[in-house]
Parts: sequence; C-alpha cells; structure tokens
Amino acid sequence: GENVEQHPSTLSVQEGDSAVIKCTYSDSASNYFPWYKQELGKRPQLIIDIRSNVGEKKDQRIAVTLNKTAKHFSLHITETQPEDSAVYFCAASTVTGANNLFFGTGTRLTVIP
Amino acid sequence: DAGVIQSPRHEVTEMGQEVTLRCKPISGHDYLFWYRQTMMRGLELLIYFNNNVPIDDSGMPEDRFSAKMPNASFSTLKIQPSEPRDSAVYFCASSFSDSNQPQHFGDGTRLSIL
Repeated sequence: GENVEQHPSTLSVQEGDSAVIKCTYSDSASNYFPWYKQELGKRPQLIIDIRSNVGEKKDQRIAVTLNKTAKHFSLHITETQPEDSAVYFCAASTVTGANNLFFGTGTRLTVIP
Repeated sequence: DAGVIQSPRHEVTEMGQEVTLRCKPISGHDYLFWYRQTMMRGLELLIYFNNNVPIDDSGMPEDRFSAKMPNASFSTLKIQPSEPRDSAVYFCASSFSDSNQPQHFGDGTRLSIL
C-alpha cells in the first residue's frame, strides 16, 4: 500500500518568514495530494490540494508543488503569521477511486511573533 | 451545510464499559471514514464505508471495535469492552464518491477510558 513520509516533524519560524513542509510517497499511482491544517483541539481542515496533472497550485500565501517523477510534494507558506501555528498533514490518494487517504505523520509549525 | 456532525464531543467512562460514537456525514457524500488520533500513532484509518457498505476494516484494532452504517446519514463506532488504551480522539470524515475528492472531518469525539 501507499506510504507517505513527512518532514520535518517540528518547524519554528519567525513571523514573516517562509515555511516549507515536504512529503514523499511510494505509490506511483497516487494522483491526489491534499494538505490539512489542524489547530490544537480542533478537526483537520483542508487548506489546499493538488492533482497529478498540475505541478503547482497557489492560494494567497499558500502554495503546493508536486514532482511526480521524484514522488514528492511540498507545502509552502509565505509571510507566516502567528495564526499559521498548527499541525499540518499531507496525504496521498491512489487512482482506485476509493478516496482512501494515506496521511503523513504531521508537522507542528510554530510561528514566533 | 452543517458539515460532518459527531456526538458526543467528549466521553469519559470506566474501563469495561461499552462506548458508542456517532456520526452524521455531509448530505450527499457516499464515503464515510472513521479515524483515531493519538500522539503516539497520529491519524489512523480504522474503517471506511461506501454507500453504507464497509469496504476496508483492516485498521480496526481488534474485535472489541465494530462499526455500522445503517443508512446514508448515520454511522456508529462501538467499543465493547473499552480499555484505557482506547483513549484517543475519534474523527469521522465523509466525501463524495468521485475520484480525488477531499475528505471533510467532523469535530471529533475525545474519548477517555479510566
């Protein structure tokens, strides 16, 4: 089955700096890659996703890049703000249509004011 | 859209008791997922349903865990008997059946087994 690895496990940045979280996956058939943000005590919420026919996608300060050849994808947050502090999860889904997501182990991002 | 609704939000019970967690998916979603989240193991998929039929229950820890989906708008996850190591946050999520659709999570049930 699919195996998703996520790095780093913790990340601290100064407010205003950029943050990058990286994930790799093992199943070349995976073609859907969402990112979730989970604030303390709350549910994971989808913040951005990318499909394999696209190499990059941006939404304001958030961007995701995908390299299918290398089987890795990354989340980029620019101009970080204290409210960006949370745990971020990457995930991958295969083409089976089962919509079964395989999650990474999460990155705890702390933005220091 | 009310989102995925889970109940109860918090449950504290003694070891050996039966625990029932409930989930109402987003209307129109064909897939329903149950996850368990702990600090040690992160997010674990327990079981998922498609059109009310269990598709993969390989993540269910042991026979003490069972899940049902009697109709498109309701699912339960039951633990009997409960043990302290079952303490975790249990999330329900749902999605449309089209390929590559995001899963939407409920607010979770924080379960503490004493």
